[in-house]
Amino acid sequence: AQSVSQHNHHVILSEAASLELGCNYSYGGTVNLFWYVQYPGQHLQLLLKYFSGDPLVKGIKGFEAEFIKSKFSFNLRKPSVQWSDTAEYFCAARDDKIIFGKGTRLHILP
Amino acid sequence: EAQVTQNPRYLITVTGKKLTVTCSQNMNHEYMSWYRQDPGLGLRQIYYSMNVEVTDKGDVPEGYKVSRKEKRNFPLILESPSPNQTSLYFCASNEHRGGTEAFFGQGTRLTVV
Repeated sequence: AQSVSQHNHHVILSEAASLELGCNYSYGGTVNLFWYVQYPGQHLQLLLKYFSGDPLVKGIKGFEAEFIKSKFSFNLRKPSVQWSDTAEYFCAARDDKIIFGKGTRLHILP
Repeated sequence: EAQVTQNPRYLITVTGKKLTVTCSQNMNHEYMSWYRQDPGLGLRQIYYSMNVEVTDKGDVPEGYKVSRKEKRNFPLILESPSPNQTSLYFCASNEHRGGTEAFFGQGTRLTVV
């Protein structure tokens, strides 16, 4: 069955720390991959997306993600987080329909 | 400005009282869907629509209905709400079934008492 797994449910970091959030997907064929962010009290916004081409994708606010086909992974990274990155992050995949992971709550300590 | 608009943003209702949450998009997208978001469960798709008059069940359709009479509108109907439908609901739209990212509405926080 198609699925998206996010490794961490809750991550706490200090400002300026580096971030990596794991995401693995289980899909049979061509897949499009996304990371969304949900700031407190707000709706989901697209951070970045991968359709094809360069597996290292750069998104907004300094985020990037790397598609590794052999590992079925699409991990989100940021070299130096800020307090304003406190949010919930969702990995998603779609071929026919979009499926979301359960989300990772990121809390940045000032 | 491209947007997906949901109304209302907040709603408290009683068990059994029919309600409708509206969703409208101005991007001429064919594909629209409804999700509910619950702590620890992420987003789960309730219903989706690939085009006008074409709707289908998502992962958690029980207790919900939808309609797609016009391309821009995709209302979610709870005929007889129950407390287990207390949740945060999001409407989303896409250009087409596979491919582009979803654009989300602001969300509707529903409480059924």
